[in-house]
Amino acid sequence: KQEVTQIPAALSVPEGENLVLNCSFTDSAIYNLQWFRQDPGKGLTSLLLIQSSQREQTSGRLNASLDKSSGRSTLYIAASQPGDSATYLCAVILSGGGADGLTFGKGTHLIIQP
Amino acid sequence: DAGVIQSPRHEVTEMGQEVTLRCKPISGHDYLFWYRQTMMRGLELLIYFNNNVPIDDSGMPEDRFSAKMPNASFSTLKIQPSEPRDSAVYFCAAGRRGTEAFFGQGTRLTVV
Repeated sequence: KQEVTQIPAALSVPEGENLVLNCSFTDSAIYNLQWFRQDPGKGLTSLLLIQSSQREQTSGRLNASLDKSSGRSTLYIAASQPGDSATYLCAVILSGGGADGLTFGKGTHLIIQP
Repeated sequence: DAGVIQSPRHEVTEMGQEVTLRCKPISGHDYLFWYRQTMMRGLELLIYFNNNVPIDDSGMPEDRFSAKMPNASFSTLKIQPSEPRDSAVYFCAAGRRGTEAFFGQGTRLTVV
């Protein structure tokens, strides 16, 4: 069974710092990996999707990398801002028929101090 | 497109009552997922549909839970009878194979 782990569970940093959130998964036979953001009391907002054949994806100040062989992904946030405060979730879809649902990590709760 | 729309946003019900959660997915997205989120267990996949057909319901916790997708624009998740341990936020998501999944705002269910 696929398991997704996110480290750290919580992180608090001053505004302006660059930071890295980590995600690891136990089954490297993934179809793709997706990073989400969740604000308190809200739904999930998709940030980046990395296909299994890709190494990284970038969107603005966000960069996500994927290393399938080691079962790891990182989300890099440059020049953090208070508005980046949220919970960040990593999720994977397995390759193969039938396993189309996302398996989520428990998230990293991020606080950016003004 | 308004995205995935869920209703109600909040539901408070008494133990033993039937609860029905509703979802309107994004047009043209042939996958629909139901997830449950709790503090203890995080986000768990309950069931998903492809082209309105249930593909995997192994995440449905008990027979008290059932889901239907009568057409491409509507799905329901029903709990009968509800119990306090069913209290959680329930999310509906839509997507296409290999592309991003888009989530609704969720229904916060409280069973007292």
